[in-house]
Amino acid sequence: SYVLTQPPSLSVAPGKTATITCGGDNIGSKSVHWYQQKPGQAPVLVIYYDRDRPWDRPSGIPERFTGSNSGNTATLSISRVAAGDEADYYCQVWDSSSQVVFGGGTKLTVL
Amino acid sequence: QVTLRESGPALVKPTQTLTLTCSFSGFSLKTSPMCMSWVRQPPGKALEWLALIDWDDDTYYNPSLKTRLTISKDTSKNQVVLTVTNMEPVDTGTYFCARTHYLGLGTPKFDYWGQGALVTVSS
Repeated sequence: SYVLTQPPSLSVAPGKTATITCGGDNIGSKSVHWYQQKPGQAPVLVIYYDRDRPWDRPSGIPERFTGSNSGNTATLSISRVAAGDEADYYCQVWDSSSQVVFGGGTKLTVL
Repeated sequence: QVTLRESGPALVKPTQTLTLTCSFSGFSLKTSPMCMSWVRQPPGKALEWLALIDWDDDTYYNPSLKTRLTISKDTSKNQVVLTVTNMEPVDTGTYFCARTHYLGLGTPKFDYWGQGALVTVSS
């Protein structure tokens, strides 16, 4: 089955850029979505890739959240990181065997 | 306004069948690209996708759990139901329903989520 690999944790100073990676075999050929989950809350879709609307954000998600995807790595970047960005982040794809796959999640800590 | 709410037992015994209901409003599951999915999360662990049902009643399941899962919908009641048979302690966790956009190409995306229902499996 398809596996998505994320670093378990990442620490970033306020005002800096957080770069969260999601590794998978030829993931660059897939559409990747990213979710933010704060403690005790449901996940929230923060950025998604559709062919017609590449790297779009739902209403209310700031432009500081951007995405990219190439080769074997997809990336979520969060610029000007603030305390409110502290959360777990998950990448997600649709596997060729018709199943949804989530990454293991990355805990972002704002120092 | 889109809302989703999960309901079901908070505690089930090992070997029992879990039945969860997702009641939703603000959209319809009758037309493309609207679908519904279930996702669970063991305490302190990552998200795990369980099942998806689309507007045309096509269903998709996590292969590792497929024999134990059934997803269905009642569009007249705006409800989606998930059953999980033969529950075990490792099935303990929060179960989320999530509105899903899927056009048959690309990757389904979960744009609205319920608050989640915590299910504990214990004798």
